[in-house]
Amino acid sequence: GQQVMQIPQYQHVQEGEDFTTYCNSSTTLSNIQWYKQRPGGHPVFLIQLVKSGEVKKQKRLTFQFGEAKKNSSLHITATQTTDVGTYFCAGLTNTNAGKSTFGDGTTLTVKP
Amino acid sequence: KAGVTQTPRYLIKTRGQQVTLSCSPISGHRSVSWYQQTPGQGLQFLFEYFSETQRNKGNFPGRFSGRQFSNSRSEMNVSTLELGDSALYLCASSSNGGPFYEQYFGPGTRLTVT
Repeated sequence: GQQVMQIPQYQHVQEGEDFTTYCNSSTTLSNIQWYKQRPGGHPVFLIQLVKSGEVKKQKRLTFQFGEAKKNSSLHITATQTTDVGTYFCAGLTNTNAGKSTFGDGTTLTVKP
Repeated sequence: KAGVTQTPRYLIKTRGQQVTLSCSPISGHRSVSWYQQTPGQGLQFLFEYFSETQRNKGNFPGRFSGRQFSNSRSEMNVSTLELGDSALYLCASSSNGGPFYEQYFGPGTRLTVT
């Protein structure tokens, strides 16, 4: 069954609003990776988090890894139309040794 | 470096037929993973090849198979196609293939089964 859950499935925002997507696992994650897939495109690696409580920033994007390493979030400040796409998390759980499991993704649309 | 390439980009097949998809990884990358992407199921892992050996396998029936050549190029084969096999098939390469390495995805092959 699904081991890495992502919410929400869809998010519609007005340009300039903030956006957050959450990635949750019932088991401890060894790491979490985030990918972005533009409409009609393919997933592109954004970042990886490994340490408990880790926070990383890329311009308007802030990535967090939970203290218990069971959840992660991606927050975008002041969304722009270029942020549209589907954001996937992928994590390595101890029940799927050797390969990360992808969440189902959060699709973001931004209204100008 | 050139990115990951996949051929063909689009394919239409009939139920019962078989299909072979090809993936050329980034030069120097030894790991190739295959994923099936459908609107309702997200990215589902099929299998991973590293140095010509299947290293990991997802939960797909035996109709789905793959192989990797000495130059790291990989092929994926689906036999006895079913309507439900219609999907975007993505391959991803990485230098090592472990879950701590970022994956570089190709543009995908859009397979339609009629």
